[in-house]
Amino acid sequence: DIQMTQSPSSLSASVGDRVTITCRASQSISSYLNWYQQKPGKAPKLLIFAASSLQSGVPSRFSGSGSGTDFTLTITSLQPEDFATYYCQQSYTTPVAFGQGTKVEIK
Amino acid sequence: EVQLVESGGGLVQPGGSLRLSCAASGFTFSNYWMTWVRQAPGKGLEWVANIKQDGSEKYYVDSVKGRFAISRDNAMNSLYLQMNSLRAEDTAVYYCARVGAMVRGVVDYYYYYYMDVWGTGTTVTVSS
Repeated sequence: DIQMTQSPSSLSASVGDRVTITCRASQSISSYLNWYQQKPGKAPKLLIFAASSLQSGVPSRFSGSGSGTDFTLTITSLQPEDFATYYCQQSYTTPVAFGQGTKVEIK
Repeated sequence: EVQLVESGGGLVQPGGSLRLSCAASGFTFSNYWMTWVRQAPGKGLEWVANIKQDGSEKYYVDSVKGRFAISRDNAMNSLYLQMNSLRAEDTAVYYCARVGAMVRGVVDYYYYYYMDVWGTGTTVTVSS
């Protein structure tokens, strides 16, 4: 099974900061990597699919990059509504696997 | 409006059973793979099961194989999860989600799958 590891597990940042979250797969998954945002008590929301494609309606300050085993989610200018937990997910093969999550908190 | 609404959660004793339902609206349900994802209290997301458009292929995480069964009724625009032999570790919010796909390629086609529509979740608590 493919394991997904995110870093860091949590981070503190200020509004306007550039934030980078990393996701590493235990084996190559090409570009079969998605990113989700989840706020407390809410369902996850798709941000990025196929490593770098922005989901419709998602602000352009969110971007994704990477292929193979190493991927990055970048928020170029953090907004108040971006404080949430972010998950990566591989769709290369079953079982589908999520990373453990990265909680972005207010500094 | 594209929407998924789960129901059927509740409190059940260990060893008991529950059937979750997910009602879909606003899109052609029969065109999509569907999936269940769960989240234990204070924990991350865990994929549970997938089902193909016509129900001919089903996949499960190892921890629920033989105990859970995913199914669908395309005429009723509904997805189901039959959960038997429930354990305390099955306690979670259960989400249904639509599986979208992007196709790339000219000669060979590559399908990139993602969960693009989620329900609000239904809570399952397994406790005596």
